[in-house]
Amino acid sequence: DIVMTQTPLSLSVTPGQAASISCKSSQSLLHSDGKTYLYWYLQKPGQSPQLLIYEVSNRFSGVPDRFSGSGSGTDFTLKISRVEAEDVGVYYCMQATHSPRTFGQGTKVDIK
Amino acid sequence: QVQLQESGPGLVKPSETLSLTCTVSGGSISTYYWSWIRQPPGKGLEWIGYIHYSGSTYYNPYLKSRVTMTIDASKNQFSLKLNSVTAADTAVYYCARGASPGYWGQGILVTVSS
Repeated sequence: DIVMTQTPLSLSVTPGQAASISCKSSQSLLHSDGKTYLYWYLQKPGQSPQLLIYEVSNRFSGVPDRFSGSGSGTDFTLKISRVEAEDVGVYYCMQATHSPRTFGQGTKVDIK
Repeated sequence: QVQLQESGPGLVKPSETLSLTCTVSGGSISTYYWSWIRQPPGKGLEWIGYIHYSGSTYYNPYLKSRVTMTIDASKNQFSLKLNSVTAADTAVYYCARGASPGYWGQGILVTVSS
């Protein structure tokens, strides 16, 4: 199985500051169809996960533009340009290039 | 906007079968893939598998021998059965739309205990 490793595992951020989460995969996520199936989810406290970013860098419907994704191959990053209080929760990366789909262990973000 | 709602028993005995249903509203089930994902208490996410409205399925190989997913387009529902459960199957079970889900249900906690 593809192992997804997120760093850091926790992050405390001052509102208005930027934050960055890394996700590294044990194998390249470039699919034979030319796409890279790397996703980012946020699970707010007490809620189900919500999709933020699909296929590395595409924001899902309704996701604020302060969220952005980048990367290629095995190294990916989620950036929040200006963290707001509503951004607290656990962030997960997920790969769907290889079966089975696998998730990172999660990065907990809270506000200072 | 599409909404998903899981339903089923919250308590299942060891060795028995866990059965959950997901009801889809605000859109037809007769398109897209439909997924199940679970999350043990305090832990991360585990993908269980997905089903297409045509009935084709793909299951996580680690669970494949115990999992069955079905779809009932007439009721706009899809279902999960997981047999021979143990305490390790205790988790919040989520249904979701898409093979890489964009919309998720609120989740249902299923506890395996005698």
